[in-house]
Amino acid sequence: QVTLRESGPALVKPTQTLTLTCTFSGFSLSTSKMCVSWIRQPPGKALEWLARIDWDDDRFYSTSLKTRLTISKDTSKNRVVLTMTNMDPVDTATYYCARTPTCGGLYYFDYWGRGTLVTVSS
Amino acid sequence: QSVLTQPPSASGTPGQRVTISCSGSSSNIGSYTVNWYQQLPGTAPKLLIYNNNQRPSGVPDRFSGSKSGTSASLAISGLQSEDEADYYCATWDDSLNALFGGGTKLTVL
Repeated sequence: QVTLRESGPALVKPTQTLTLTCTFSGFSLSTSKMCVSWIRQPPGKALEWLARIDWDDDRFYSTSLKTRLTISKDTSKNRVVLTMTNMDPVDTATYYCARTPTCGGLYYFDYWGRGTLVTVSS
Repeated sequence: QSVLTQPPSASGTPGQRVTISCSGSSSNIGSYTVNWYQQLPGTAPKLLIYNNNQRPSGVPDRFSGSKSGTSASLAISGLQSEDEADYYCATWDDSLNALFGGGTKLTVL
């Protein structure tokens, strides 16, 4: 079955770089039309999409955050990594990774990880 | 502030029918399909409706979606206590940025 799991530090200091890893199973990112996104949710607030990487290595970033984000994949290890630079307390959020099986066509997130809470504080 | 506008709250009694609206523009909902997600307290979002009105396997047919022009709606019939959750509409834009609504907190009275 399809599973995704986020991992990374629970606490980062302002100005530091955050690195998050999404480890997944039950599908391959080398499969045509498959992609993985990162989405975050500040406490008590709405979901915000951050970035996406496709089976063919195309990458897409949130317009408002693209200067701070880098997404990459290791297909052999079934991992997707997100880095976010210059972290600020407003970046405190639960970070999710999610799968889309039909990138290039319908664009929806059918499986989500449980999320990892990242707090930015000195 | 979300590009897609949802009412912050909605409510209904068990057995009632409730609808949640999602308003966008010609550059998002007007051009692309709409999805809906349900987020139960303390859990990750779950896909509820995709491609405007399609239900993934396992989602009860009490949940239905529709889209007209630059707006979309989620309807829940036969409301149950376990439907109490946050609901988010979503679509994308020409830059392939996924867009989410601000969310609607559904209370079952």
